[in-house]
Amino acid sequence: GDSVTQMEGPVTLSEEAFLTINCTYTATGYPSLFWYVQYPGEGLQLLLKATKADDKGSNKGFEATYRKETTSFHLEKGSVQVSDSAVYFCALTNTLKNRDDKIIFGKGTRLHILP
Amino acid sequence: GAVVSQHPSWVICKSGTSVKIECRSLDFQATTMFWYRQFPKQSLMLMATSNEGSKATYEQGVEKDKFLINHASLTLSTLTVTSAHPEDSSFYICSARVQTVNTEAFFGQGTRLTVV
Repeated sequence: GDSVTQMEGPVTLSEEAFLTINCTYTATGYPSLFWYVQYPGEGLQLLLKATKADDKGSNKGFEATYRKETTSFHLEKGSVQVSDSAVYFCALTNTLKNRDDKIIFGKGTRLHILP
Repeated sequence: GAVVSQHPSWVICKSGTSVKIECRSLDFQATTMFWYRQFPKQSLMLMATSNEGSKATYEQGVEKDKFLINHASLTLSTLTVTSAHPEDSSFYICSARVQTVNTEAFFGQGTRLTVV
C-alpha cells in the first residue's frame, strides 16, 4: 500500500542553519504531497503542498519539490529560526486510488532550533 | 486556509464517564472528517473516517462502541469517548476535508483528554 517515510529525529540545529528533512513516498498513480507542522500542544497546520510532479510548494521560507523520479518531497529552509521548532509531518493523499480519502502520514520529525 | 474548530481544547473526566469532543468546519462544508489519536512524541493514528450522513468507517483495532462518531451535518462531527478509562487519556485531533481529488485536510487544534 501507499506509504511515507521521513527521516527520524530529533534534528537539532543552530539558528540560521540550513535545514533539510528528507521524505520519500511509495504510491501508485499521482498522489498529492504535503508537509504539515505541529507546534507543541496544537493540531496540525498545512505548511505547503504540491499536487503534481515538478511542482514546488513554498511557504514561510520553507520549500519542497515533488520529484517523481526519486519519489521524494524533501523539506528545505535556508535559514531556520527558533520559532521553527516543531514536529514536521510529510503526508500524501491518493484519492483516485483510496476511495476512503485517507491522508497517509510519515512518523514525524521533531526539530529543535538552538538560539 | 480553511478553519476547523475543535472543542474543548482540554478536558479532565472521571473514570467511567463519557466525554464528547466537537469538530466544526467554520467556513466550508466538510464532506469527510477524520479522527486521530496521538500519543506523546508519536505520529497520528487514524481512528475513523466519517462522511456526512453515513456511518463512520473505523480503523482496525478501534472499538466502535467505545469511540462513537457522529457526522450529523456538513460542518459538524462529534467523537464521544464512552466509559472512559485512564488508558484513553490522549491527544485527539480531528480534520476535515472537501471531497475533491487530492485536496488537503484542515486540522482542529486538538483535545487533550485526561481520565482520572
